Amino acid sequence: QQQVKQSPQSLIVQKGGISIINCAYENTAFDYFPWYQQFPGKGPALLIAIRPDVSEKKEGRFTISFNKSAKQFSLHIMDSQPGDSATYFCAANTRGGTSYGKLTFGQGTILTVHP
Amino acid sequence: ETGVTQSPTHLIKTRGQQVTLRCSSQSGHNTVSWYQQALGQGPQFIFQYYREEENGRGNFPPRFSGLQFPNYSSELNVNALELDDSALYLCASSLTGLVRGHEQYFGPGTRLTVT
Repeated sequence: QQQVKQSPQSLIVQKGGISIINCAYENTAFDYFPWYQQFPGKGPALLIAIRPDVSEKKEGRFTISFNKSAKQFSLHIMDSQPGDSATYFCAANTRGGTSYGKLTFGQGTILTVHP
Repeated sequence: ETGVTQSPTHLIKTRGQQVTLRCSSQSGHNTVSWYQQALGQGPQFIFQYYREEENGRGNFPPRFSGLQFPNYSSELNVNALELDDSALYLCASSLTGLVRGHEQYFGPGTRLTVT
């Protein structure tokens, strides 16, 4: 019920291409969906987040698309750059109850952008 | 505005020993969450502290314990260390208030190796 499934496990994209990472969830109580970027040896950095009352959110080259009925959301990285090479995690959280504050993470996607 | 800091950066302990990890939350934040990230995996929620009390716990045994201090900094204590406790331990800070914010900002982590 608390699981967040992420795909693909790894992704190779050419510079300038579009990187797409997908996540699916089961718990309909989730109401906050952030994406984190993690470089080796570093902590995850909050990239962009969305709430289920909107279907899309864009910040610079990063866009989250959200499909509430399908319980799926995805991260699109436009004009991918070698500096975007990192591990990306989707996550989900709920507003209240005992699970408040507990981010449930996907398994991660290792993105490699070739120059 | 200062970010989340953690100490030490790296730590090597022997099985059966005890360890204390420290975290200073981001300026203005009053809530601290701890996560364990095994190699190649997404972070797993350990517990969260708000107003110096535990406010939610993941599937971790009681030998994982914590504290939050009046200045919102926090400690994670692990007793009777096991080999499987080897991981990156992440601290995340956030702001809990009348309008609950979900944004959690992570520190760089403490790499714990148990031999």
